[in-house]
Amino acid sequence: VQLRESGPGLVKASETLSLTCAVSGGSISDVYWSWIRQSPGKGLEWIGYVYDTYTATTKYNPSLKSRVTIATDTSLNHLSLRLTSVTAADTAVYFCARLTSEGDAFDVWGPGTLVTVSA
Amino acid sequence: SYDLTQPPSVSVSPGETASITCSGQSFPDQYSYWYQQKPGQAPVLLIYKDTERPSGIPGRFSGSSSGTTVTLTISGVQAEDEADYYCQSADSDGTYVFGGGTKVTVL
Repeated sequence: VQLRESGPGLVKASETLSLTCAVSGGSISDVYWSWIRQSPGKGLEWIGYVYDTYTATTKYNPSLKSRVTIATDTSLNHLSLRLTSVTAADTAVYFCARLTSEGDAFDVWGPGTLVTVSA
Repeated sequence: SYDLTQPPSVSVSPGETASITCSGQSFPDQYSYWYQQKPGQAPVLLIYKDTERPSGIPGRFSGSSSGTTVTLTISGVQAEDEADYYCQSADSDGTYVFGGGTKVTVL
């Protein structure tokens, strides 16, 4: 399985950040998929996950929950991230990652995409 | 939620052993996971479920657990092991958290 993030590299403050993650080499179904971000020079922050079942179960970081939506599109075999009302603090490299069936580990990652929030 | 605490940096000479600790109230109830990240790259899973190594990860990387502290040990450190290392765990409510990261410098 390979993952590749894509989306605008520059977003204006107060607007919505939208990214997609293309999944190749495997199905998006029946797998937990996550978004994780890393601010410049900082550590990793888990954003949330989506599980592609009939009910599309999601779980979000409580600190971001009010602004985040993660979804899957089985027809395109990709997942998406929407983050509303962005500020400079949302400037980061955004990674998509797969949660392994061997417990709560992220075993496959995309290369990441840098999103900068401008004033 | 809870925090995972790691030392900001560890320095080690080639061939020696580096130990990176991670403390958190989720341990030992929840498993720990470890990642290596080199500059400009995505993290790579090194250890899962406290002590297990994914295929392809060298045997010099090992994990252990004792009470509320888990440890990543790199035996016989090589120059290529210079990187940032992150611990990670899961909360009982289904959320995930990473430690602040430890920069390993090979002298």
